[in-house]
Amino acid sequence: AQSVTQPDIHITVSEGASLELRCNYSYGATPYLFWYVQSPGQGLQLLLKYFSGDTLVQGIKGFEAEFKRSQSSFNLRKPSVHWSDAAEYFCAVALKAAGNKLTFGGGTRVLVKP
Amino acid sequence: KAGVTQTPRYLIKTRGQQVTLSCSPISGHRSVSWYQQTPGQGLQFLFEYFSETQRNKGNFPGRFSGRQFSNSRSEMNVSTLELGDSALYLCASSSGTGESYGYTFGSGTRLTVV
Repeated sequence: AQSVTQPDIHITVSEGASLELRCNYSYGATPYLFWYVQSPGQGLQLLLKYFSGDTLVQGIKGFEAEFKRSQSSFNLRKPSVHWSDAAEYFCAVALKAAGNKLTFGGGTRVLVKP
Repeated sequence: KAGVTQTPRYLIKTRGQQVTLSCSPISGHRSVSWYQQTPGQGLQFLFEYFSETQRNKGNFPGRFSGRQFSNSRSEMNVSTLELGDSALYLCASSSGTGESYGYTFGSGTRLTVV
């Protein structure tokens, strides 16, 4: 079955440390890939997206993600975390054949220690 | 450029009632999608409208319906509310396909059914 998995439900990281959030998908074809961030009580903000081409994608707020076809992964990274990065992060995929339908992973909640 | 606007932000309804939520997409966006977010089920796709036609539908009962107007504004209706319908309902608008593929989310409507 088609699915998106974020293995880590919670991650705690110290301010200034690096962050990596994992995302794996199970689809027959390479889907469009997205990372969104959600602050409490708010909607979703797009961090970055991958459609094709360069497998290392730069996004907003200093985030980047790397697409690895062989591992069906699209992991999100940030070299140095700020306290304002505390939020929930969602990986999402969309299949061109399925139209504008996003399928989301379960999310990873990031806590930042001072 | 104005973002995606959802109204109202908060709603409290009684079980058995019906509710209508509104979404105004980004100007020029013709696709509007709706998602339900709950702690137990995460983010789930409800349906998508494009040029006033429902183009895609998720696995929700017929109590959940929607429509889109000629100005691309969309409404979502839930009839015979159940306690389990309590959720954050998010609307997303999309600019189209190809490299312009993108989903911008509103801040959501928090529905509480009592």
